[in-house]
Amino acid sequence: DSGVTQTPKHLITATGQRVTLRCSPRSGDLSVYWYQQSLDQGLQFLIQYYNGEERAKGNILERFSAQQFPDLHSELNLSSLELGDSALYFCASSAQTDLPQGYTFGSGTRLTVV
Amino acid sequence: EDKVVQSPLSLVVHEGDTVTLNCSYEVTNFRSLLWYKQEKKAPTFLFMLTSSGIEKKSGRLSSILDKKELFSILNITATQTGDSAIYLCAPTSGNTPLVFGKGTRLSVIA
Repeated sequence: DSGVTQTPKHLITATGQRVTLRCSPRSGDLSVYWYQQSLDQGLQFLIQYYNGEERAKGNILERFSAQQFPDLHSELNLSSLELGDSALYFCASSAQTDLPQGYTFGSGTRLTVV
Repeated sequence: EDKVVQSPLSLVVHEGDTVTLNCSYEVTNFRSLLWYKQEKKAPTFLFMLTSSGIEKKSGRLSSILDKKELFSILNITATQTGDSAIYLCAPTSGNTPLVFGKGTRLSVIA
């Protein structure tokens, strides 16, 4: 157990729907990062939050949004889902934004859009 | 824009073989190079390289960083089926989030 908890582990939904993925970071970590992993694109950075505030944005679609709550857990909202959104979504956390050792990843949420 | 290129994208070897995985990068304000191993689920940290040279872990894995030529190599000797995984590299630069390469999918067959 890495200490980063993601729920649900699997999600199957229809096109056009909206889903929410949840992440609880490792205890004491203030930064949360969301990544999307698909077979052809590898691990793509979506968005980062630090202590409740958005810190960096990557290749995140406008249909996607995220937030980090006062208890530091984070949610990634995906709306108007398309088949191409099917992927593994990872959350990672780190103690601070400037951490050369990298991140601790959760086990991911596998999203299947049908 | 930061750029990370890994090669090969996939590799199939027999147990006992030696493999070399490549990672080239272009980032501003480079600080370190990270290697991760991803088996079934979450990527797990393997190495951090900050200066040109060799870092070893677990005896069979070693990695080289060349900061002048902007690349890193991950070597695995005497491969085992348990080494089958996706290997990811990511350069770090200041406070920016990690940008990963697409990874090398290694399959070790008995």
